[in-house]
Amino acid sequence: KAGVTQTPRYLIKTRGQQVTLSCSPISGHRSVSWYQQTPGQGLQFLFEYFSETQRNKGNFPGRFSGRQFSNSRSEMNVSTLELGDSALYLCASSLEENTGELFFGEGSRLTVL
Amino acid sequence: KQEVTQIPAALSVPEGENLVLNCSFTDSAIYNLQWFRQDPGKGLTSLLLIQSSQREQTSGRLNASLDKSSGRSTLYIAASQPGDSATYLCAVPNSGNTPLVFGKGTRLSVIA
Repeated sequence: KAGVTQTPRYLIKTRGQQVTLSCSPISGHRSVSWYQQTPGQGLQFLFEYFSETQRNKGNFPGRFSGRQFSNSRSEMNVSTLELGDSALYLCASSLEENTGELFFGEGSRLTVL
Repeated sequence: KQEVTQIPAALSVPEGENLVLNCSFTDSAIYNLQWFRQDPGKGLTSLLLIQSSQREQTSGRLNASLDKSSGRSTLYIAASQPGDSATYLCAVPNSGNTPLVFGKGTRLSVIA
């Protein structure tokens, strides 16, 4: 059974650009969550999608957005990139909304220059 | 607002030693608690999930306990090996039925 797949694994952008990250959950999982991980702040929740609907949103500016498609795949977008957006972006999927066991992908490492 | 604390932040032990990692949380109204392992630059690997109705879960050399009333969980690793070296994180849902809140983790080094 394939795990959570995130693409791209690494990317470098410059300030002001935008980026789109993709996440394919484990087959059958309908909940997808996104987290940002930085050395200073640790893991911070971005948003969660279940059956194409955003169920929860963390405390991030509107430059961070996401969506989920009918096949449960999810994308997140960051516009007008800032240096502070450099981080490991992790996607997790679960069978159930919120209370299920989370399974993480390998992450997308974003560097903003 | 749920807060999760993990102590110690870092731990170094010789191979073969048994060890305990600690996790505490402020809001005991949780559905479950999950322990993860993270290797440098990698994603998180789920180790154990304890439901709120359970007191402990075991997987191989790992045993996790949960005491909701005191807001604490421990992860016991028996007969540690160098391959156990990683950062261990615990996570609980925010108050009620909301996404996970993570501790900052314990960085474990097992010395051969």
